Amino acid sequence: GAVVSQHPSWVICKSGTSVKIECRSLDFQATTMFWYRQFPKQSLMLMATSNEGSKATYEQGVEKDKFLINHASLTLSTLTVTSAHPEDSSFYICSVIIGEVMGYTFGSGTRLTVV
Amino acid sequence: TQLLEQSPQFLSIQEGENLTVYCNSSSVFSSLQWYRQEPGEGPVLLVTVVTGGEVKKLKRLTFQFGDARKDSSLHITAAQTGDTGLYLCAGADNQGGKLIFGQGTELSVKP
Repeated sequence: GAVVSQHPSWVICKSGTSVKIECRSLDFQATTMFWYRQFPKQSLMLMATSNEGSKATYEQGVEKDKFLINHASLTLSTLTVTSAHPEDSSFYICSVIIGEVMGYTFGSGTRLTVV
Repeated sequence: TQLLEQSPQFLSIQEGENLTVYCNSSSVFSSLQWYRQEPGEGPVLLVTVVTGGEVKKLKRLTFQFGDARKDSSLHITAAQTGDTGLYLCAGADNQGGKLIFGQGTELSVKP
C-alpha cells in the first residue's frame, strides 16, 4: 500500500514563530492530500484539503492565513502554522486517498508544542 | 453535512470480555472504514466495508455494515490487552472524498 511520510514527528517552538510540517507520499502520486488536527483523547478533525497545483480548501472555522498549505508537487504537501500560539499545540496528521475501497493512508503525525 | 456518531466514547473492560462499538449516521455512505490508532501515531486502516449487510472478520474482530449503509459496528471477541487503543470509524463524504470521522472509542483492556 501507499506510504506517507510526515516530518517532523515532533516539534517544540516559541510563541510567535512559524512551523512547517511536511507530508510526503513516497510511492503514490497524490493530487489530493488532507490535513487533520487531533487533540488528546479526541477524534481527527479535518482542517483542509490540499490540492496539487491549486489553492487548498479549508473547513469552516479554520483560518487559512494561519494554517498555510502548499501542495507544489504530486508527492509533497506542507502545512505551515504561522505565528503559533499555545492553543495551536496539537497533533497534526496528513493523509492520502488511495482509493475508495482501499481507504486512506495516514502519516505518522506531528506533535506540535508551542511554549 | 454528513455526520458519524460513534459510541461508546470510552470503554474499559477486563481481558477476555467481548465488546461492540457502534457507528451511526442519518446519511448513506458508499463505504465505511474502521481504523485503530496508537498514541503518537497516525490511524491504521483495519477494514473497509462497502456492501450493505456485509460482514468482515479480522481474527477476533468482526465488522458489520448495515443494510441501509448508514451504520456499522465493530465487535471484538475475547479482548486482549493488546487491543487497547483508539478505534475510529470513518466515511468518505459525497463531495470531494473528504474522510469524516466519528468521535472515536478509547478502549482500555485491563489484564
